[in-house]
Amino acid sequence: DAKTTQPTSMDCAEGRAANLPCNHSTISGNEYVYWYRQIHSQGPQYIIHGLKNNETNEMASLIITEDRKSSTLILPHATLRDTAVYYCIVRVGDGGFKTIFGAGTRLFVKA
Amino acid sequence: KAGVTQTPRYLIKTRGQQVTLSCSPISGHRSVSWYQQTPGQGLQFLFEYFSETQRNKGNFPGRFSGRQFSNSRSEMNVSTLELGDSALYLCASSLAGGNSYNEQFFGPGTRLTVL
Repeated sequence: DAKTTQPTSMDCAEGRAANLPCNHSTISGNEYVYWYRQIHSQGPQYIIHGLKNNETNEMASLIITEDRKSSTLILPHATLRDTAVYYCIVRVGDGGFKTIFGAGTRLFVKA
Repeated sequence: KAGVTQTPRYLIKTRGQQVTLSCSPISGHRSVSWYQQTPGQGLQFLFEYFSETQRNKGNFPGRFSGRQFSNSRSEMNVSTLELGDSALYLCASSLAGGNSYNEQFFGPGTRLTVL
């Protein structure tokens, strides 16, 4: 089972910030939080990841709560091209990748 | 730098046949993971290879197998195809594998249809 829970879908107006929440209450101390997105029928695209500090890159910002039990992905100025399924993942497994994806959040950006 | 490539992009097979899918990781990447994506089950982890060894495995039957070559290219094979194997098969590569700070880069996928 996925170790994260996300809302099934969200709407956002074009040009506004999109804030996508994720709960990961059982996260271990050495597990990172990763965000990917998948535009219809394409492979998932890496967005950002973090351990406990807030992170920002050219695509998004990641806010992780102090207890690390939840996080929020922020797309500062959403565009129509940001319409996609967003996956929040915590890395599982030792010594290798065994990424467990949940159902993700389907974000609709509307004009 | 070229991304992850997967061949073929589309494939149609009939029940009972077998199929081999190929994945070429980003140059220098040694970890290759495979995923199956269906509308009903979402993205499911199949297995991960690192330095020609299977390091992690998901919960799929033995009909699903894979291997990795010395140049890090990977293949996955599905034998005795079933209708339920129709899916998008995704490959992802990573620089070192296993380290939490290494992100995975996904290929475009192979769309397999079983008739």
